[in-house]
Amino acid sequence: KNQVEQSPQSLIILEGKNCTLQCNYTVSPFSNLRWYKQDTGRGPVSLTIMTFSENTKSNGRYTATLDADTKQSSLHITASQLSDSASYICVVSDRGSTLGRLYFGRGTQLTVWP
Amino acid sequence: EADIYQTPRYLVIGTGKKITLECSQTMGHDKMYWYQQDPGMELHLIHYSYGVNSTEKGDLSSESTVSRIRTEHFPLTLESARPSHTSQYLCASSGAAINQPQHFGDGTRLSIL
Repeated sequence: KNQVEQSPQSLIILEGKNCTLQCNYTVSPFSNLRWYKQDTGRGPVSLTIMTFSENTKSNGRYTATLDADTKQSSLHITASQLSDSASYICVVSDRGSTLGRLYFGRGTQLTVWP
Repeated sequence: EADIYQTPRYLVIGTGKKITLECSQTMGHDKMYWYQQDPGMELHLIHYSYGVNSTEKGDLSSESTVSRIRTEHFPLTLESARPSHTSQYLCASSGAAINQPQHFGDGTRLSIL
């Protein structure tokens, strides 16, 4: 069964600190993996996309890693800001259909305190 | 920011009413999607469309229906709302290439009394 599991479910950190969010997946055949940020009351916004051959990709203070062998990804946030408080969703796409079927994790709810 | 808009943002309505949730995008995307999201849970695909006059049901069974008469417009309709329909509904669109990101609207939070 294709699944996406994220940990931790929730996380509280102090402003300025770093944190790492985890994503494990069983989706096959794998196409790509995206991390989305969803602010409260808003729709998800794509942060990064990683394909099979990519190990690391950065977007400002966000750095995503992918280990396609172990089917694990992480999202590292550096020097956190209050505006980083949001749900971070891992989304894996398969390549077994024209639609590019998406599998969503339940997200990690990050709260950054001043 | 993506140019995809959903209205209304919030709707509280009584059981049995007919509801239409609007979704419009100005990016010329062929693919459009409707998702249902409950608090703390993953998004579930309920409908999608490859283009005009194309609609398909998603993975999660839904009593709602959709139409795609124009490229930019993908409304979702509930003929008779029930409390079990209470949820957040997110609309998204994407370009033709398989690795294109889905751009999401800000959702409609629907409460059926």
